[in-house]
Amino acid sequence: EIVLTQSPGTLSLSPGERATLSCRASQSVSSTYLAWYQQKPGQAPRLLISGASSRATGIPDRFSGSGSGTDFTLTISRLEPEDFGVYYCQQYGTSVTWTFGQGTKVEIK
Amino acid sequence: QVQLVESGGGVVQPGRSLRLSCAASGLSFSSYGMHWVRQAPGKGLEWVAVIWYDGSNTYYADSVKGRFTISRDNSKDTLYLQMNSLRAEDTAMYYCARGGSGGYFFDFWGQGTLVTVSS
Repeated sequence: EIVLTQSPGTLSLSPGERATLSCRASQSVSSTYLAWYQQKPGQAPRLLISGASSRATGIPDRFSGSGSGTDFTLTISRLEPEDFGVYYCQQYGTSVTWTFGQGTKVEIK
Repeated sequence: QVQLVESGGGVVQPGRSLRLSCAASGLSFSSYGMHWVRQAPGKGLEWVAVIWYDGSNTYYADSVKGRFTISRDNSKDTLYLQMNSLRAEDTAMYYCARGGSGGYFFDFWGQGTLVTVSS
């Protein structure tokens, strides 16, 4: 089973700053199978990125995804107040399973 | 617009059963695989189960295999999760989610229904 490890655990930044979130897989993952989600307190997760780099419908272009193999990155170019929350990476694995990273919390500095 | 509305959560004693429902609207329900994903209080996301668009295949996380059953009624645009032999560690918010194109991710989520397993 592939394990996804996200870092850092918490990112403290100010609005306007750049956020770089990492997702590292214990084995190589096809880029097709890597997605990112945002979750705000009391809300359901929201899809941001699929296929490692394709923004979902309605997602602002300040969000971008990149990476391949075992290292993937979600970048928020300029943080807006509404971007604070917890971000999860997720992969689809063999044996028909889906797994998530443990999450990175982006908080206001 | 796409809407997924879960129901059926509540407080239940260990060892008892509960059935969750997820009513879908605004999407071609019968064309998509559907999932249940859960989140224990203060914890991360855990995939629970998937059912193919036509109900022909189901898969489960090891943590629920043999205890939970996912099903669907395409005539009613509704997804179900039958949960038996519930344990304290099953306490979580349960979300239904639509499988995205290709089935590798989750593109729409409901707001969740809370299941608490406690004596």
